[in-house]
Amino acid sequence: NAGVTQTPKFRILKIGQSMTLQCTQDMNHNYMYWYRQDPGMGLKLIYYSVGAGITDKGEVPNGYNVSRSTTEDFPLRLELAAPSQTSVYFCASSSLNTEAFFGQGTRLTVV
Amino acid sequence: AQSVTQLGSHVSVSEGALVLLRCNYSSSVPPYLFWYVQYPNQGLQLLLKYTTGATLVKGINGFEAEFKKSETSFHLTKPSAHMSDAAEYFCAVSEDDYKLSFGAGTTVTVRA
Repeated sequence: NAGVTQTPKFRILKIGQSMTLQCTQDMNHNYMYWYRQDPGMGLKLIYYSVGAGITDKGEVPNGYNVSRSTTEDFPLRLELAAPSQTSVYFCASSSLNTEAFFGQGTRLTVV
Repeated sequence: AQSVTQLGSHVSVSEGALVLLRCNYSSSVPPYLFWYVQYPNQGLQLLLKYTTGATLVKGINGFEAEFKKSETSFHLTKPSAHMSDAAEYFCAVSEDDYKLSFGAGTTVTVRA
């Protein structure tokens, strides 16, 4: 039972490059989320989705985009990487009345 | 709007001593409250969750938390710390039971 799987685990990007962080879950959860974690700041919600075809902005969406074409997948795209996007990114999923399950995280450095 | 304040970014306890992590929240509706634990280089794992009903919530690994509406608090305790409790702990609040707002986190170290 894989749960929430994120790839890659680590990535170094140059300023201005783009990349997609992949997230897939095998629990048939409706809700999926992307958070970023910065030291001393806790986790901040970037985007979330309540089902396939539906996405919405969270607290810190600027510089990111998402899509939800299937229940299982919720990729996060960075179009023009900036040093401020250096962070650890967590994908999570949940269903009504269940806890949120988190992936192992993607550590991104923008130089 | 919902928000969480965790008092103390670092807590150091002796093995066998009480662990107390403080969390205060603000919410415009009756909140759902959570404590999560994060071990190094891992994702977050749910310790416990408050929805409605009994204000003392028991979680995994011997942790418990008490919801006090009058104090808008949800402090986490464990009577006797173990070395394996060394981790970062996050309090979170939700007004809709899915989108979470997290506190800044408290790092717990356990001294032998």
